[in-house]
Amino acid sequence: SQTIHQWPATLVQPVGSPLSLECTVEGTSNPNLYWYRQAAGRGLQLLFYSVGIGQISSEVPQNLSASRPQDRQFILSSKKLLLSDSGFYLCAWSGRAGAVETQYFGPGTRLLVL
Amino acid sequence: GIQVEQSPPDLILQEGANSTLRCNFSDSVNNLQWFHQNPWGQLINLFYIPSGTKQNGRLSATTVATERYSLLYISSSQTTDSGVYFCAEGDSGYALNFGKGTSLLVTP
Repeated sequence: SQTIHQWPATLVQPVGSPLSLECTVEGTSNPNLYWYRQAAGRGLQLLFYSVGIGQISSEVPQNLSASRPQDRQFILSSKKLLLSDSGFYLCAWSGRAGAVETQYFGPGTRLLVL
Repeated sequence: GIQVEQSPPDLILQEGANSTLRCNFSDSVNNLQWFHQNPWGQLINLFYIPSGTKQNGRLSATTVATERYSLLYISSSQTTDSGVYFCAEGDSGYALNFGKGTSLLVTP
């Protein structure tokens, strides 16, 4: 069966520091991968998605970037964190048909920028 | 883009009660999903239901695509049902477009 991992689970970082969040998927090949952010107030916003190695699409302009160095690895990064980057970051995967199929979410990373 | 509205925003139930959560969308959708986010933040898929009715234990969902709404029924609620319930449509490209959720608290 497929599983999706995220780490770290929780992170407290000072403003201006770099960030690297990692997401890996097991049990499937060639998945579509997604990064979402959930700010306080419950809404989820898509940040990036990837349909293959090295292929990244950004949904919103921001202080963050994403990379996909391997088929089942998706990394969210920042060179300098802002206070507004605080939130709950969720990685998800779906089959190759994209949004037509169900998306499955990882356990998330809670990021607090101070 | 398609607007997804959920109601009610908050709901408190006593254990054993039934409830209905509603999701309205502003245009036709071919991909409608329901999720439960538990108090630890994990998002769990409940139903992929672009049309018709599905049931899974005490939960069932119905989507009436022609009238642009979906309903999630929770019967005999338990404290473990607490959390936030989201509906999301996936017709806007690769993103799942989430509603703002219904926050459910089931008390003993």
